[in-house]
This record gives sequence, structure tokens and C-alpha cells, in this order.
Amino acid sequence: GAVVSQHPSRVICKSGTSVKIECRSLDFQATTMFWYRQFPKQSLMLMATSNEGSKATYEQGVEKDKFLINHASLTLSTLTVTSAHPEDSSFYICSARSAGGLANYGYTFGSGTRLTVV
Amino acid sequence: RKEVEQDPGPFNVPEGATVAFNCTYSNSASQSFFWYRQDCRKEPKLLMSVYSSGNEDGRFTAQLNRASQYISLLIRDSKLSDSATYLCVVNMNTGNQFYFGTGTSLTVIP
Repeated sequence: GAVVSQHPSRVICKSGTSVKIECRSLDFQATTMFWYRQFPKQSLMLMATSNEGSKATYEQGVEKDKFLINHASLTLSTLTVTSAHPEDSSFYICSARSAGGLANYGYTFGSGTRLTVV
Repeated sequence: RKEVEQDPGPFNVPEGATVAFNCTYSNSASQSFFWYRQDCRKEPKLLMSVYSSGNEDGRFTAQLNRASQYISLLIRDSKLSDSATYLCVVNMNTGNQFYFGTGTSLTVIP
């Protein structure tokens, strides 16, 4: 089945630094990947939709200059949290659907990245 | 109003019990519906899609009621391994926007 690899699984960084999270589709091509954020006891919230070869589409309230998304190939999307602050500490998770996949088959999620900003 | 609403629980049930979760959605134009399972500190995993005619997968049965805009998940003969958070997920159109409920926590007790 479709596998999405996300790295790193856990990162601790100092306030003001930047962190890059990678999301790779291992056995399929993903023209579109999605980045979510989940705070404790809350639902997954879509941050942005990453389209291969074009600019990402950000959800309302998500700062595009703070959360940089790059989707340079059909198998890799990256999310960079720039100038991280403690309030950015969260569980970040990506998901993808194989190109041509039907909506009824859902999406495959990466294993998530737990970011802690100290 | 939230796009997708779920009772957060928690539901604590004994092994072997039957438990049902409901989820309501706000957009009548929603196209696709899913139940995902999320274990603590892990990624959500697709449990099952929900079809208009209802569908069953072993001990799990999913139902869709478009008139009332809700979906349900029934778990029969609960196992300890069923303990998790169950997320209701709705795709609003044929595009890519998925909306997640906050999840319903289930604990199956020996």
C-alpha cells in the first residue's frame, strides 16, 4: 500500500531557529500533499496544500512566510518552520494521495513530527 | 459552527461490548466520508470509508445518513486493541479539502 515517510519524528529546537520537516511518498507519486497541525486534545487542522511545481495554498490564519512549503518533486514536500517560537510547538503531520487516486480511498499520513520549541 | 463535530467522549467500555460513535457534518454538499483511527502520539490511519449504502468490515460497521448529515461507526465485540481515538473525516467536495472531527476517545477495559 501507499507509504508516506516523514522525518524527523521528533525535534527540539531553540526559539528563533528554523526547522525543516520532510515528507516523502515512497511508492507512489504525490502531486498534492497536505500539511496539518495538531495541538493536544484538538483535531488535525489543515495548514496548507502543497502542489508539485507550484506555490502552496495556505489556509486562513496560517502565515506563509513563517511556514515555508516546497514541493519540488512528485515524491517530496518540505515544511520549514522559520523563526520558531514556543507557541509553534505542536504535532505536524503530512498526508498524500497517489496521483489519480479516487477521493473515496482517503489519504495516507506520514508518522508525524513532534516539534518542541524551547 | 464546526464543519465536523464529534462527541469527544471518553467512552470506557468493557471487553466484548458494542459501542457506537456518531459524527455530524455541516456541509450538505460533502462527498466523501471516512473513519480514521489515531493511537496516542501517532499518525491517523484509515479505518474505513463510509458509503451511502453502509458498509461493514469485520466487527466495524459504518453508516451514512445524508438527510440528517451524520455518519456513524459501530464496533462490536470490543477488543482491548480497539482503544484509540476515532476521527470522523469529511471531504467537502471532489477536491482535496478534508475536515477532521476532534475525535472520540475509546478505552476498552479488561
